[in-house]
Formats: sequence, structure tokens, C-alpha cells
Amino acid sequence: EAQVTQNPRYLITVTGKKLTVTCSQNMNHEYMSWYRQDPGLGLRQIYYSMNVEVTDKGDVPEGYKVSRKEKRNFPLILESPSPNQTSLYFCASTEQAGKRNTEAFFGQGTRLTVV
Amino acid sequence: QQPVQSPQAVILREGEDAVINCSSSKALYSVHWYRQKHGEAPVFLMILLKGGEQKGHDKISASFNEKKQQSSLYLTASQLSYSGTYFCGGSGGSNYKLTFGKGTLLTVNP
Repeated sequence: EAQVTQNPRYLITVTGKKLTVTCSQNMNHEYMSWYRQDPGLGLRQIYYSMNVEVTDKGDVPEGYKVSRKEKRNFPLILESPSPNQTSLYFCASTEQAGKRNTEAFFGQGTRLTVV
Repeated sequence: QQPVQSPQAVILREGEDAVINCSSSKALYSVHWYRQKHGEAPVFLMILLKGGEQKGHDKISASFNEKKQQSSLYLTASQLSYSGTYFCGGSGGSNYKLTFGKGTLLTVNP
């Protein structure tokens, strides 16, 4: 089954404790991205990757890091989480960055709470 | 810059129609529409490409006016299952970044 898998689904952590949210897709997609969703603000892009070893900042990248060492994986790293990073996070993948008529597939989301 | 969606929320009775609008201040090559149920991931509905192409999905259709950089989602004879938050996403430029609007909460009551 084609899917994007995020882990964990729920996470409560303390301020400053480094954490990683994993994202993996099994569709051989080139393009992957991370979004955060906050009430009233919609989905805002954090980082995206057009292919292996190619990543770039989205609209709200501060406080986050990513890496793309393999095509299927795109982890989101919070080096020193703060309470304002409490949010619902979604990973998404698209077949090819250059194909404009392809849909984005979303993971099930990770609800992160930083206390 | 995020596309602007309107209205922010709409309440319907089953069987009524609704239109959700999405406008962008920058040129778009494509417009995506997604629906999200509470606590779930957004699910793809359709894509509209530059050229004014219209696409349909059962009783949900959409249009894209590239001159005005506006898209509209039409929900006909709404069903209870249509309830959720609808997002439009715009893609333009060389990085193919997909930027979403803030969403429109649609509630369909019996």
C-alpha cells in the first residue's frame, strides 16, 4: 500500500531536549516536505526536499533541521524544542518536483507538545 | 505568501450547495484542493492546471481562472461526509513549493 509513515504519532517532551520525527514513503517519490498546522494558520511549510541531498527552507524553518540522505526518508529534527513549536506536524511527498499535476500524499501527522 | 481562502467557515444542510474561493497574489502554475477531517491527514481532491482546466470529483468540481489567479471549489448537493476543512494549495515558481491557504471549515448538518 502506497503510504507516508510518520513516527511517533504523539510526543510530549520538555524544552531543550532534542528530538527527531521520522518520515518515510514507499512510493519512490522525489519531493518531500514538512508542514506544521496551527489553529487559524493552516498548513505552513517548514522545509522541503527536491531529491536526495537537496533541501531548502520553507516559510517557517526557524528552530528546525532536516536531512535527506535516502530517497525514502526525510526526518525532521528539533535541536532544542521550545513551547512555540507545539503543533501538529505533517510530512508529505510528491512524485516529482517537476510534475505539476501530481498530488501530495500526507502522513498521518505527529502531535507534538513541548512543555 | 499564503493563498487567501473565503469564507473561513460555512454551515450547510444536507443537499445544499457551497462554493469555496481561493485567490493568490502571485502567479500559479497549479492549484490543489484537499479536504481534512478533524485529527486526520489532508486528503487530495483535485488539481487544476494553468490553462483554465476544470476537474471534477463526483459532485465536487473546481475551476481555475489564471488571469485572476483565483480558484473556486464547488460542492453540489452536499452530503454529511463533505464536512471537514478544505485547503487550497498553490504551486508556482521553480521550486514547486506548495503553499496552502488557512482553510475553510465546512459543516454539513442533517
